Amino acid sequence: DADVTQTPRNRITKTGKRIMLECSQTKGHDRMYWYRQDPGLGLRLIYYSFDVKDINKGEISDGYSVSRQAQAKFSLSLESAIPNQTALYFCATSDSTRDRAIYPRTGELFFGEGSRLTVL
Amino acid sequence: KQEVTQIPAALSVPEGENLVLNCSFTDSAIYNLQWFRQDPGKGLTSLLLIQSSQREQTSGRLNASLDKSSGRSTLYIAASQPGDSATYLCAVTNTGNQFYFGTGTSLTVIP
Repeated sequence: DADVTQTPRNRITKTGKRIMLECSQTKGHDRMYWYRQDPGLGLRLIYYSFDVKDINKGEISDGYSVSRQAQAKFSLSLESAIPNQTALYFCATSDSTRDRAIYPRTGELFFGEGSRLTVL
Repeated sequence: KQEVTQIPAALSVPEGENLVLNCSFTDSAIYNLQWFRQDPGKGLTSLLLIQSSQREQTSGRLNASLDKSSGRSTLYIAASQPGDSATYLCAVTNTGNQFYFGTGTSLTVIP
């Protein structure tokens, strides 16, 4: 089984509908992320969470919301989907490492298989 | 803001050739750099992670190097195979724990 699982893998919906993409992980990582990927634009960060009580906006959070239900679960919602939210969405996780620095840093990043969303 | 560039955007080589993929970044204050492979429509698979204190990492036929002062990393693939065909992306994390991705190099290895 995959360490980072995304559901659904594919979804077609209509403008104005509410959509939720779910992500669960078995890696025991504390940090989780949602990215979207568009051709020619690369990966862009939507939201990230460093633990259950911590939620942070990324560079393109408008039109999206998230919920960290547990350490292993992080869901992304589109309250009212629009066509320019058509994209490939990725959930990712990482552990935090603590070296000689005072604060923890992010370790290796691991991705789910992606959720392809089409908004008509 | 950190900017990550990967040139060329696409590369085509005959099977068996050794090749180098390039990644450059504008802010040298990075914590680590990671190389990924992505097959069409699939997720990203981590290939190599280089900490900022390291100069290189190796895994099988892959060798990644890091030169922080010049803002560059290279991914060397030895004896390329058709199965190596994919898009290769690099990403850097800065001291703020954000990841910045390049747009990738699409590699085709011709049998």
